[in-house]
Amino acid sequence: DQQVKQNSPSLSVQEGRISILNCDYTNSMFDYFLWYKKYPAEGPTFLISISSIKDKNEDGRFTVFLNKSAKHLSLHIVPSQPGDSAVYFCAAGSFGNEKLTFGTGTRLTIIP
Amino acid sequence: KAGVTQTPRYLIKTRGQQVTLSCSPISGHRSVSWYQQTPGQGLQFLFEYFSETQRNKGNFPGRFSGRQFSNSRSEMNVSTLELGDSALYLCATGTGSNYGYTFGSGTRLTVV
Repeated sequence: DQQVKQNSPSLSVQEGRISILNCDYTNSMFDYFLWYKKYPAEGPTFLISISSIKDKNEDGRFTVFLNKSAKHLSLHIVPSQPGDSAVYFCAAGSFGNEKLTFGTGTRLTIIP
Repeated sequence: KAGVTQTPRYLIKTRGQQVTLSCSPISGHRSVSWYQQTPGQGLQFLFEYFSETQRNKGNFPGRFSGRQFSNSRSEMNVSTLELGDSALYLCATGTGSNYGYTFGSGTRLTVV
């Protein structure tokens, strides 16, 4: 039962353009959502989070949008840079439960 | 401050053997979670420890076990290794109050 889904295994974007990574979830009880970035041979690095009571959170080039009615969130990166090439995971959690449920990841490649 | 330290980085074991992995958290972090990452499966939650007590457990067989020591360091043990246990094992540490998890670089386990 995959409660968090990233349906695009890979995405290629031209440098300077916008990268949009998508994530869907099925459990309406999640309280918050996170995006992690992972380079090969390293652990995931936290990027940005959003509470379930908000619909947008912005941090520099990164913006996360949450559509609760559609159970969908997206990460926008603008402008995309070569260093953004990595695997991106979305994750969801509930307060009082330290377990994070991860999607399967999307490999983002920024083309110079 | 020092990050999350996982040892060893790489491990090769034979089917049927057992293995112990170690995770040393960031100073002050009392929560340690373990995840298994396999290709196409994303990160699967194994268990979480806080103050030497297991608070949450994922859907893994009893061959997977863990413990946490009084200094918050945690170990994960896998007994009777199977080929399918080959994966990257990641630990994430935090203060125990959601959101702020920091991942280690992982231990790459190969079972032959």
